[in-house]
Amino acid sequence: GAVVSQHPSRVICKSGTSVKIECRSLDFQATTMFWYRQFPKQSLMLMATSNEGSKATYEQGVEKDKFLINHASLTLSTLTVTSAHPEDSSFYICSARDRHRTNYGYTFGSGTRLTVV
Amino acid sequence: GQNIDQPTEMTATEGAIVQINCTYQTSGFNGLFWYQQHAGEAPTFLSYNVLDGLEEKGRFSSFLSRSKGYSYLLLKELQMKDSASYLCAVRDLGSGTYKYIFGTGTRLKVLA
Repeated sequence: GAVVSQHPSRVICKSGTSVKIECRSLDFQATTMFWYRQFPKQSLMLMATSNEGSKATYEQGVEKDKFLINHASLTLSTLTVTSAHPEDSSFYICSARDRHRTNYGYTFGSGTRLTVV
Repeated sequence: GQNIDQPTEMTATEGAIVQINCTYQTSGFNGLFWYQQHAGEAPTFLSYNVLDGLEEKGRFSSFLSRSKGYSYLLLKELQMKDSASYLCAVRDLGSGTYKYIFGTGTRLKVLA
């Protein structure tokens, strides 16, 4: 089945630094990638939607200059958290749309636990 | 606007049946999905409904009524490993792109 590889799985960074999270679709072309954030005991909140080769569309309240999304190829999308602060500590997870498998739901990466100290 | 509601927590006994309800209001409905998520892990796909009625997959069944904006996930013969969060998600066509809008999730605890 479709697999999305997400790295790193855990990262600890200092306040003010930037962190890059990668999501790769291993056996399909991800025409669209979605980025979510999940705080403890809460559901997934959509941050942005990116289509290959075009600018990401951000949800209301998400700062596009802080959360940089790049979807340069059909198999790779990255999320960079810039100038991270402790309140950015969260579980970040991507999901990809395989246009040939839309009845099976989008495929999720394994998630990245970000801790900003 | 978009709104998806689920109960926050539920508790059930091993071997029993539990029904998790989900109500939704969206503008561009294009299917309803149920996911299971264990703590600290990615969600895994359970079921998909786009037409009214019941979809059955082993111990799991999901029902949809589009006119009522209502769905439920039915879990039979509960096992301890079913303790997890269950997320209701609506696929919404907004701004020309399909995207998932997730409910708050229901944390299910299965007791021995």
